[in-house]
Amino acid sequence: QKEVEQNSGPLSVPEGAIASLNCTYSDRGSQSFFWYRQYSGKSPELIMSIYSNGDKEDGRFTAQLNKASQYVSLLIRDSQPSDSATYLCAVIHSGGSNYKLTFGKGTLLTVNP
Amino acid sequence: AAGVIQSPRHLIKEKRETATLKCYPIPRHDTVYWYQQGPGQDPQFLISFYEKMQSDKGSIPDRFSAQQFSDYHSELNMSSLELGDSALYFCATTNGGEYNEQFFGPGTRLTVL
Repeated sequence: QKEVEQNSGPLSVPEGAIASLNCTYSDRGSQSFFWYRQYSGKSPELIMSIYSNGDKEDGRFTAQLNKASQYVSLLIRDSQPSDSATYLCAVIHSGGSNYKLTFGKGTLLTVNP
Repeated sequence: AAGVIQSPRHLIKEKRETATLKCYPIPRHDTVYWYQQGPGQDPQFLISFYEKMQSDKGSIPDRFSAQQFSDYHSELNMSSLELGDSALYFCATTNGGEYNEQFFGPGTRLTVL
């Protein structure tokens, strides 16, 4: 079982709708959680970080973290065609001084004009 | 703002050849992570350096080695290249901080023929 799980999609939403992306992780002691956006052939771009239970909003993006359920999500409001990309959930696990990212396989989002 | 620089951006090699990939961190970032991303895959952690010392090692083949220099740039050396080494290679850098947010470079696309 992969340590970070995401629905691979594809997820298709109409322009202006809310896109909801989900991620679960297995290490209960994980400490930091990130959402990266990756366009095809490009590098991952950090769009949200979250470390505490609850919601964190930044513009059209809202990240939600529930450590008890080991669940993190990303909501994209007013989705735009330019949001069409693969969204990678990444986690830093607990323990030691090693802060490597463990990624989920990504969810491909398509926003239809 | 200055970003992570990687060179070369594209590299084509024959089997059994060697390759050297370079990564120049964002100014004042002292930690470098290397990731490998195969086609349709999520990035996989290879190796990391903090203050010029190796800090963690992932699924990096023995044919690969890496180091971080006094100016904090890092080089990934790959020998006896195999077809399966064809992938995108990213470095990500961070200045640590409370959350260890990692920022990715544009990547090097390595093709082994």
